[in-house]
Amino acid sequence: AQSVAQPEDQVNVAEGNPLTVKCTYSVSGNPYLFWYVQYPNRGLQFLLKYITGDNLVKGSYGFEAEFNKSQTSFHLKKPSALVSDSALYFCAVRDPSGGSYIPTFGRGTSLIVHP
Amino acid sequence: NAGVTQTPKFRILKIGQSMTLQCTQDMNHNYMYWYRQDPGMGLKLIYYSVGAGITDKGEVPNGYNVSRSTTEDFPLRLELAAPSQTSVYFCASSSETGGATEAFFGQGTRLTVV
Repeated sequence: AQSVAQPEDQVNVAEGNPLTVKCTYSVSGNPYLFWYVQYPNRGLQFLLKYITGDNLVKGSYGFEAEFNKSQTSFHLKKPSALVSDSALYFCAVRDPSGGSYIPTFGRGTSLIVHP
Repeated sequence: NAGVTQTPKFRILKIGQSMTLQCTQDMNHNYMYWYRQDPGMGLKLIYYSVGAGITDKGEVPNGYNVSRSTTEDFPLRLELAAPSQTSVYFCASSSETGGATEAFFGQGTRLTVV
């Protein structure tokens, strides 16, 4: 079975500071990992994904994420936060070795960037 | 450039009423999903479909039904609405190539059952 955990319900950061939103996963095989962002009253939007290759993946709006197999983590990062980054962030995982391509989502982390 | 379109955006139902949430996508995606989002609970999968004519239950299917007669459309039917079905519903689609593709989401339907 596949699962994903986002240990923080909320992350607060000052504008201009680096931000990290944490995600850990559990799968039986090699994971496919995704980050999505949700702005108020909107659907989820894709940010970035890790499928294979370089452990550091870059995505939209200056976000990046680092895949760490030994720690089973896929933390979302940004070097300098903007107030406009304030939103709900979801991590998702797929385990293709199980034969199902249905993603499992985390509970979401609310990112609040203070001016 | 429509992507995934959901209707309606908002709806208030009385207990016991029924309704259909519409979802259509114009990207020729084979996979389609219905999720519900409750505060602090993330996304829960209700039903999904891997292609026209094929549907399967997700994590929380009770009280819902789906059909997939075409590639484009994946309506979600609520029979005998209950207050526990008050939620925000999201439809999503993806083009599966071994699970490596991201999902595209509609803007959601906010449903209140009173």
